[in-house]
Amino acid sequence: AAGVIQSPRHLIKEKRETATLKCYPIPRHDTVYWYQQGPGQDPQFLISFYEKMQSDKGSIPDRFSAQQFSDYHSELNMSSLELGDSALYFCASSLVPVDTQYFGPGTRLTVL
Amino acid sequence: SQQGEEDPQALSIQEGENATMNCSYKTSINNLQWYRQNSGRGLVHLILIRSNEREKHSGRLRVTLDTSKKSSSLLITASRAADTASYFCATALVNTDKLIFGTGTRLQVFP
Repeated sequence: AAGVIQSPRHLIKEKRETATLKCYPIPRHDTVYWYQQGPGQDPQFLISFYEKMQSDKGSIPDRFSAQQFSDYHSELNMSSLELGDSALYFCASSLVPVDTQYFGPGTRLTVL
Repeated sequence: SQQGEEDPQALSIQEGENATMNCSYKTSINNLQWYRQNSGRGLVHLILIRSNEREKHSGRLRVTLDTSKKSSSLLITASRAADTASYFCATALVNTDKLIFGTGTRLQVFP
């Protein structure tokens, strides 16, 4: 069965650079979520989209923005990167909101 | 403060034994989901239990939910070395679709 696809899987950036993470949800899933997991921590919700509209927002820094496109894929844009942004970034999708969320393999971002 | 807290934080058992992990949460939920994560890898969905359900089974997994006590438990029976991972509970709160994760239980199963 098709799963959530994330790219790139690994990303290394310098401080103050920008990064774009991409997420391709499971086919027919119209809800996408982004989570950030720091080393040794539990995943923290960043933002979600339903039918291309932002549906919920968590502790997402103003330096980050995200959107969902017409084909339902989503991108997380991160600017002015800081050392503390180093983390695993997960995208998840669900068939409908408030349903099982299926997670992608994550993008490991390292900021040097 | 953390919506979901799990205990124990770490659990070590022998193959064949059962493992029980507990999750407590603070506010009303739509559902509660359990995930497994191997070190630094992705989150694998195990089971979802809705707020009007009390128990669900999936293979060697049994999940219970007690909304009056705001708690859930995950039981893995006849554990295997391949079950070694971190296990997280995640709650979907009422009027929101985001998941709030618990602190996780690190399970080590020795062959």
